[in-house]
Amino acid sequence: GAGVSQTPSNKVTEKGKYVELRCDPISGHTALYWYRQSLGQGPEFLIYFQGTGAADDSGLPNDRFFAVRPEGSVSTLKIQRTERGDSAVYLCASSTGLATDTQYFGPGTRLTVL
Amino acid sequence: GENVEQHPSTLSVQEGDSAVIKCTYSDSASNYFPWYKQELGKGPQLIIDIRSNVGEKKDQRIAVTLNKTAKHFSLHITETQPEDSAVYFCAASEGNEKLTFGTGTRLTIIP
Repeated sequence: GAGVSQTPSNKVTEKGKYVELRCDPISGHTALYWYRQSLGQGPEFLIYFQGTGAADDSGLPNDRFFAVRPEGSVSTLKIQRTERGDSAVYLCASSTGLATDTQYFGPGTRLTVL
Repeated sequence: GENVEQHPSTLSVQEGDSAVIKCTYSDSASNYFPWYKQELGKGPQLIIDIRSNVGEKKDQRIAVTLNKTAKHFSLHITETQPEDSAVYFCAASEGNEKLTFGTGTRLTIIP
């Protein structure tokens, strides 16, 4: 079946602008995760949804970052007043929501803030 | 919170030889340890995982070992092939929650 998809694949924006990144999880997966990967580093956790609610948002770096999952499927990561330090690959993953189940990753969105 | 350390950061091995990557974790509550392979421009792909009730798991040329007492786990790739060249990440988590990743190992297979 189809895997996790993310759009856009690349996003270039100017400092101070607002961006939205979209994630379509594997059908039927109740858990959805956002991670951020800087060059040469491992992915770092941002936020985790179980259904429509954010079960853990402890990784969001500040209040410029926000994510929603209104119908328990597609999720959007929103970044306000972007800064050059926000440049990274933003990865989305989904799982069935069962304990210790595999997280399947999408290809990521490469965000560049000029 | 959890802290995962991974070594080495780069590894070059001759085709056909074995490769070993090691990770340590800090949180004794962690009970799930996946390994991901990431190729350039792609998202991480799970290659093998192990849960804390098991000491070793093998899938063809890939094996993972876990020592809960010492809080370390290792990835073993035997009979390496050129297509094994990639960046490998270990990770740890407590149940159905966030993964904490290591910093990655760039593996190069020399033909």
